[in-house]
Amino acid sequence: SQQGEEDPQALSIQEGENATMNCSYKTSINNLQWYRQNSGRGLVHLILIRSNEREKHSGRLRVTLDTSKKSSSLLITASRAADTASYFCATDLYSSASKIIFGSGTRLSIRP
Amino acid sequence: EAQVTQNPRYLITVTGKKLTVTCSQNMNHEYMSWYRQDPGLGLRQIYYSMNVEVTDKGDVPEGYKVSRKEKRNFPLILESPSPNQTSLYFCASSLSTDSDEQFFGPGTRLTVL
Repeated sequence: SQQGEEDPQALSIQEGENATMNCSYKTSINNLQWYRQNSGRGLVHLILIRSNEREKHSGRLRVTLDTSKKSSSLLITASRAADTASYFCATDLYSSASKIIFGSGTRLSIRP
Repeated sequence: EAQVTQNPRYLITVTGKKLTVTCSQNMNHEYMSWYRQDPGLGLRQIYYSMNVEVTDKGDVPEGYKVSRKEKRNFPLILESPSPNQTSLYFCASSLSTDSDEQFFGPGTRLTVL
């Protein structure tokens, strides 16, 4: 069963705009991670946020976590063509930190 | 260079013919995992291993086997592949199970006819 669900499934924006993707999950977690995947290639880790953190930044990335709503958002500011990719959230389970569950992803397209 | 390697990268086979996809990491990671990726379903965890000789089922373990005899290797075995196992497979590793970032291999595209 899917733990994480991303929203929207697809997003197309103009270069320079900000992109926001959301992730919702069902059960308690220890942490949540965001990954990027360029077409058909392996995933690349972007950022990890722990359950006791509310916000985290890394360069042009900003991640928030709301454990009461079981949701997270990924904001990419000042988007670039190279940001075109699929973005996935991944959660562990509070009861079993070894089990990692990915959402179905958001496909982000940056228009020049 | 720190990396996760998978072989083969592409494989076309027939139903019932046993196959093994190898995965190796050179980062001395304890945790290794196999995922399959299908359109619209994201990545689903098949098996994971917390250390040598310790493996456990993920969400979709049916039809797969794994072993972890050495820390660096985590092969995925399909004893009798079926067409519904046609997918893109990824191996990943991380330092520990405390959810450090996972490093992913380049993927293996498997087609079962």
